[in-house]
Amino acid sequence: QSVLTQPPSVSGAPGQRVTISCTGSSSNIGAGYDVHWYQQLPGTAPKLLIYGNNNRPSGVPDRFSGSKSGTSASLAITGLQAEDETDYYCQSYDSSLTGYVFGTGTKVTVL
Amino acid sequence: EVQLVESGGGLVQPGRSLRLSCAASGFNFDDYAMHWVRQAPGKGLEWVSSISWDSDIIGYADSVKGRFTISRDNAKNSLFLQMDSLRPDDTALYFCAKDHRKYWYNAFFDPWGHGTLVTVSS
Repeated sequence: QSVLTQPPSVSGAPGQRVTISCTGSSSNIGAGYDVHWYQQLPGTAPKLLIYGNNNRPSGVPDRFSGSKSGTSASLAITGLQAEDETDYYCQSYDSSLTGYVFGTGTKVTVL
Repeated sequence: EVQLVESGGGLVQPGRSLRLSCAASGFNFDDYAMHWVRQAPGKGLEWVSSISWDSDIIGYADSVKGRFTISRDNAKNSLFLQMDSLRPDDTALYFCAKDHRKYWYNAFFDPWGHGTLVTVSS
């Protein structure tokens, strides 16, 4: 079961900015553990999008950015493009579970 | 280029066993912790297990603890997942993923293999 909660879906028009929230608790995000974000295109493996709360791997466009505050984190996509329409997951470590947890996943739709 | 290739998936009856493998290439395998993550059909991602570079530190999700065993062979650049007492809710695409450090504490997963499908059904 997921202990990180994300909205099931978000949508926006091309060029707009959308944000995806990731809500955790005091045993994961709130405990100071890093939040990472993955993009998963249909039928493919997840791809790392943001690591360490707000860092982009090489090759990831700067349209993607991450932030973290308290027990929550957010992924922002600015200048939304058609190719951004897919699923996104957050991930962190949970000290109570002594393991990793993923968010429930969010589908981004480009209108 | 870092490559991870999973194998060993298939159709298996409930209660039976299966062993997954992940062949790694393009990096110094024994410098990194490794992970297994699964995804049930149409569902989200679920962490399964992690192992440190030297196999000393291992962790499991509660859902598989006592049934699954992670291991690695650094000489063969390979990661394994022995799955026993399989249940229908173990049906999923199983991915292996590389850590960015030797120990898997507070880690992220990058890259991922393409996955191997495990179907548990009678």
